[in-house]
Amino acid sequence: EPEVTQTPSHQVTQMGQEVILRCVPISNHLYFYWYRQILGQKVEFLVSFYNNEISEKSEIFDDQFSVERPDGSNFTLKIRSTKLEDSAMYFCASNYGQSTGELFFGEGSRLTVL
Amino acid sequence: AQSVAQPEDQVNVAEGNPLTVKCTYSVSGNPYLFWYVQYPNRGLQFLLKYITGDNLVKGSYGFEAEFNKSQTSFHLKKPSALVSDSALYFCAVRDEDGGATNKLIFGTGTLLAVQP
Repeated sequence: EPEVTQTPSHQVTQMGQEVILRCVPISNHLYFYWYRQILGQKVEFLVSFYNNEISEKSEIFDDQFSVERPDGSNFTLKIRSTKLEDSAMYFCASNYGQSTGELFFGEGSRLTVL
Repeated sequence: AQSVAQPEDQVNVAEGNPLTVKCTYSVSGNPYLFWYVQYPNRGLQFLLKYITGDNLVKGSYGFEAEFNKSQTSFHLKKPSALVSDSALYFCAVRDEDGGATNKLIFGTGTLLAVQP
């Protein structure tokens, strides 16, 4: 069964460093998302991406964050200068695009900022 | 704006007993409702969804959920709980008129603890 894959599974970084989290969505999906979950709590929407551009972003997704789909398969989330409060589990998700469809989530990338 | 509420942080139930995990929602149009489960250190797994039609929807692992429009609720149920059902459960909603993004809005999650 096709699945969303994410790398790395865990990354530890120093405050102020740049981090790139990678995702390979399901191949025929058209919509891509990043969500964040802090300490096993609420799952928060960060950004959605369609047709090679951001279609919506939340207040959390400030100028320190960026996304891109550099090669037609990977979907990346970059945090330019990490803060302590960026420590969280980051989930990538994808969807074919139908409004009735569920999102398919990856296993997540745990980011720890020291 | 879309929102979903899960009023219970934790639900405790004995194995073999029925379980209910509560969810209420708020959307401007017709809701599309989803339940996901998260096991420790894992991603979110889709359980079931309500789009239209029969108010009682059945999903994976013997779970079902009942859509109640008048009460704006979508409670998750299972007739007989298993210890292996212990996990974090998330309710999510998408507005029928959700625009171009099709994003889901998640509740705060309910930890289900099933005691043997």
